[in-house]
Amino acid sequence: GAGVSQSPSNKVTEKGKDVELRCDPISGHTALYWYRQRLGQGLEFLIYFQGNSAPDKSGLPSDRFSAERTGESVSTLTIQRTQQEDSAVYLCAATDNRANYGYTFGSGTRLTVV
Amino acid sequence: AQSVAQPEDQVNVAEGNPLTVKCTYSVSGNPYLFWYVQYPNRGLQFLLKYITGDNLVKGSYGFEAEFNKSQTSFHLKKPSALVSDSALYFCAVRSGSARQLTFGSGTQLTVLP
Repeated sequence: GAGVSQSPSNKVTEKGKDVELRCDPISGHTALYWYRQRLGQGLEFLIYFQGNSAPDKSGLPSDRFSAERTGESVSTLTIQRTQQEDSAVYLCAATDNRANYGYTFGSGTRLTVV
Repeated sequence: AQSVAQPEDQVNVAEGNPLTVKCTYSVSGNPYLFWYVQYPNRGLQFLLKYITGDNLVKGSYGFEAEFNKSQTSFHLKKPSALVSDSALYFCAVRSGSARQLTFGSGTQLTVLP
């Protein structure tokens, strides 16, 4: 597609439930990133995928967080047993191999845990 | 390790006046530097980047930024601010060997009519 698409745009869930967030990147953009943006704060790196290489999971805050990506297509970020501190906007970004050209971001998923 | 500091949470400027949003960075080796803008309920949009070459970089919407190696700064500037420039601005850095960008905490710019 022409841009990075994320769904859902908004998600309200009860504490303890699992949620799955989806990112559909730009065709041909082999690198994909997930970031978290808490209210009033900057972007926190979560995970990075590059082609078929092993993902860089160094930013995942706990084992309740996981992400998958098949090849260079859609990625899903799963949060298990959600907690109120998980409430944030989750942003997906994609870039081609020329990473010095920066990222293209999706509009994000606003997650609210009640 | 790489890091970015945006020392001002909020910048207010009158329409038509010049604006500056400050950014300093720390990185091993040569930096790749970026500015992004975020409008309400939207994702981040790329404004400009510095990779190499001229220290003064021009980007979208009349914005520019100056790379200062000695001061490890990459301040965002615009000669004449518009009300529509009001948004949240993020500075980001990446070293040549890193795979992800590190973002600053953001600066809320408000341009007053």
